[in-house]
Amino acid sequence: AQSVTQPDIHITVSEGASLELRCNYSYGATPYLFWYVQSPGQGLQLLLKYFSGDTLVQGIKGFEAEFKRSQSSFNLRKPSVHWSDAAEYFCAVEGGYQKVTFGTGTKLQVIP
Amino acid sequence: GAVVSQHPSRVICKSGTSVKIECRSLDFQATTMFWYRQFPKQSLMLMATSNEGSKATYEQGVEKDKFLINHASLTLSTLTVTSAHPEDSSFYICSASGTHESYEQYFGPGTRLTVT
Repeated sequence: AQSVTQPDIHITVSEGASLELRCNYSYGATPYLFWYVQSPGQGLQLLLKYFSGDTLVQGIKGFEAEFKRSQSSFNLRKPSVHWSDAAEYFCAVEGGYQKVTFGTGTKLQVIP
Repeated sequence: GAVVSQHPSRVICKSGTSVKIECRSLDFQATTMFWYRQFPKQSLMLMATSNEGSKATYEQGVEKDKFLINHASLTLSTLTVTSAHPEDSSFYICSASGTHESYEQYFGPGTRLTVT
């Protein structure tokens, strides 16, 4: 069975600073990988996804993620964080039959 | 993009009553819908998967008689929490996927259920 690990429960960055959120997955084959963002009391919004091809994936809101098979990682990055990026971020893996497993999430706090 | 709605967004019910949550795909046909549950400060846990016109497939540990799922049409799935108890209080999120793009689920905004 697939699993996802987000080792950072909470991250604080200054506005304008760069951001990297870590995600490691476990799956026997090539996974489909996703990053979602959730604002308080809201549903999930897809930031980006990786199915195949170029391992550097561009998403919305200036986010990107890089799939590294050798490290089983799919880290999310943004060069300059805005205050509106404060939210909770979930990494997810789809491992067949559209069954998606989510990580435990990383809460991002942005300070002025 | 594909839009999924949920109704109601918030509901408060008394212990022992039942409550129904609707999930609709507004601009696409959802062959598969998923129901998730999210406890405070935790991740989403898949409860069940439903395909239009067939019985839902429940994840291990989810009581099918307590969480009734109906997917009667390609645009509507409902989750009924029967004989609700305070421990059922949670954030319920549905998602839907269609035939036009595989492996991507579109999420609804969620329903906050509080059982008093």
